[in-house]
Amino acid sequence: GAVVSQHPSRVICKSGTSVKIECRSLDFQATTMFWYRQFPKQSLMLMATSNEGSKATYEQGVEKDKFLINHASLTLSTLTVTSAHPEDSSFYICSAISWRGPARETQYFGPGTRLLVL
Amino acid sequence: GQQLNQSPQSMFIQEGEDVSMNCTSSSIFNTWLWYKQDPGEGPVLLIALYKAGELTSNGRLTAQFGITRKDSFLNISASIPSDVGIYFCAGRISNFGNEKLTFGTGTRLTIIP
Repeated sequence: GAVVSQHPSRVICKSGTSVKIECRSLDFQATTMFWYRQFPKQSLMLMATSNEGSKATYEQGVEKDKFLINHASLTLSTLTVTSAHPEDSSFYICSAISWRGPARETQYFGPGTRLLVL
Repeated sequence: GQQLNQSPQSMFIQEGEDVSMNCTSSSIFNTWLWYKQDPGEGPVLLIALYKAGELTSNGRLTAQFGITRKDSFLNISASIPSDVGIYFCAGRISNFGNEKLTFGTGTRLTIIP
């Protein structure tokens, strides 16, 4: 139980294009999902908290117009990197929690999405 | 953003040795979690701690929630090759599951053949 998937696992795009990353909770309903960014040899840095049916809460310094988050259902949250630039290249990881079942009160992480912007 | 101080940054050990790493904070946390991350993968939860003083084991792994609620340690006994990876501690201020985590800086474990 408590499986979280991400798609795609890797993406290469040209500078100026937009990229959408999906995060799904496969065997539980996630009322809250989190999006993190991780640069090489660094820790995970929280970008935003995504709550189903409401607007995401962004961390200080994260541009909400650049990193669009949509938590349309209890099993899906999407992160869209708009007008991507090389400095947006990173490893993006989502996590999900639920108030019931195996993921109760604990964050379970997806496998991550490697974004490379040329 | 805020990070927890985790030490050591890296460890080079031989197979079979025991490992100890810890995490400290200047502020109190009410939940401590330990994760392991393999290259190119997301973190995997190892142990969750919810009470000050709590000592919890998961196979060869043992973790404790410090009584001051400002620290936690993780021990790995009789290390094996698959223990290689990066270990992160994470703290949560409240007991509510939807509150964000603060991550440690990570400990990279390498096993010398």
